[in-house]
Order: sequence, then C-alpha cells, then structure tokens
Amino acid sequence: EAGVVQSPRYKIIEKKQPVAFWCNPISGHNTLYWYRQNLGQGPELLIRYENEEAVDDSQLPKDRFSAERLKGVDSTLKIQPAELGDSAVYLCASSRTGVTGELFFGEGSRLTVL
Amino acid sequence: QKEVEQDPGPLSVPEGAIVSLNCTYSNSAFQYFMWYRQYSRKGPELLMYTYSSGNKEDGRFTAQVDKSSKYISLFIRDSQPSDSATYLCAMSSPSGGSYIPTFGRGTSLIVHP
Repeated sequence: EAGVVQSPRYKIIEKKQPVAFWCNPISGHNTLYWYRQNLGQGPELLIRYENEEAVDDSQLPKDRFSAERLKGVDSTLKIQPAELGDSAVYLCASSRTGVTGELFFGEGSRLTVL
Repeated sequence: QKEVEQDPGPLSVPEGAIVSLNCTYSNSAFQYFMWYRQYSRKGPELLMYTYSSGNKEDGRFTAQVDKSSKYISLFIRDSQPSDSATYLCAMSSPSGGSYIPTFGRGTSLIVHP
C-alpha cells in the first residue's frame, strides 16, 4: 500500500512570494488533514477534509492560506503571500472516515521563507 | 497552558536501558491516546494506540494511561540506537462525530551504543 505522498519536500522562497504544497493521500482514505509543525513543536491542525468538504478550518489563517481538495482525493495548500513566520514543515495526513486518531502522515514539505 | 504537555528533552540513554516517556493533559474529554514516532526529516508514524485507562503492550513498547491523573506514559524496553527519534504523544476527543488528535511537542530520545 502506497503511503501519503507530498511534494515538494523542500521549498525556499522570499517573503511575499506565493507557494503551494500538494498531497496525495492513501487510496480509500476519505479524511485528509493539513498540519503545520514548527521547529521543536508538535503538529498543529490547519484544516481537515471529509471527502471534498472542509469540515474543520478554524485554525487556517484565511487571509493568506487557502486549501482545496478536488474530487475528494488530492489536496493543495497554498500560501500567498508568504511571511517569515510561515517557515515550518507542512504535513499532510490521511485516515479512514470515523477513525479515532490513527493518522498516516506524509514526509512533509519543509518551507523556508527568507 | 497547553492541553497536552510534554518535556522536549533531549533524553539520552545507553543502549539496553529502559526508557520512560510521559505526557500530561488537562482535557478530561480525551478518550483515545496515541504515541507517534518521528525520525528526523520524516513524518510521524503511529506506534501505539489505546482507549481509556490501562496498559497496552506491543513488543518492546508499553503504553500506559492513567485518566484519573491525566497522565500517559510510553515505556521502551531494551532500547536500541534505532529507537533514537522524537516521540509525540497525541490525544483525541469526540468533535462533531470525529476524533481529531491534539499533539504534544514531542520528546527527543537519543540511544547511544
């Protein structure tokens, strides 16, 4: 079974530039999560999808962050414009609907904003 | 105060030692308790998963939950250098029909030969 695939693995941009991250979840996993992990911290939820619907986006900074999950499979997280404080690892995870916390994570996209 | 507290370490032990990793929490609604392991520059992977209070054993790993004290532990027996990683505790409570994990900040473990 293929795992969660994320790209790019690393991205370095200057502040005010846009950036996008892509995630392909495990086949059959209807729930998709985007987490942000700052250095030395645990992952913090940004947004959760059940199929195509964003059901929990209360922690997503909507002035500069956006996300979409077309056809309930792949997802894209976008930041525009990026700020210095956005430097972090962006983790995508997926799970079967209704599970109680067993998430499968990708390797993450490490963003550095200069 | 964060909902989940975890000492960041690092915790350095010799190979073969018994390791004890711990988390405390404040939300009494948490029902499911998990431990994830995260190697450097990798995503977290689920190690152990327990429901409510009690112990669960899986090979060299034992997870323990004490809901009365709001305290969970992960024990690693006969630790190996390959166990060197960051260990994240996570907990979830029902929210709109789903259970979304809240993570601790992780404890960095170093097992030296």
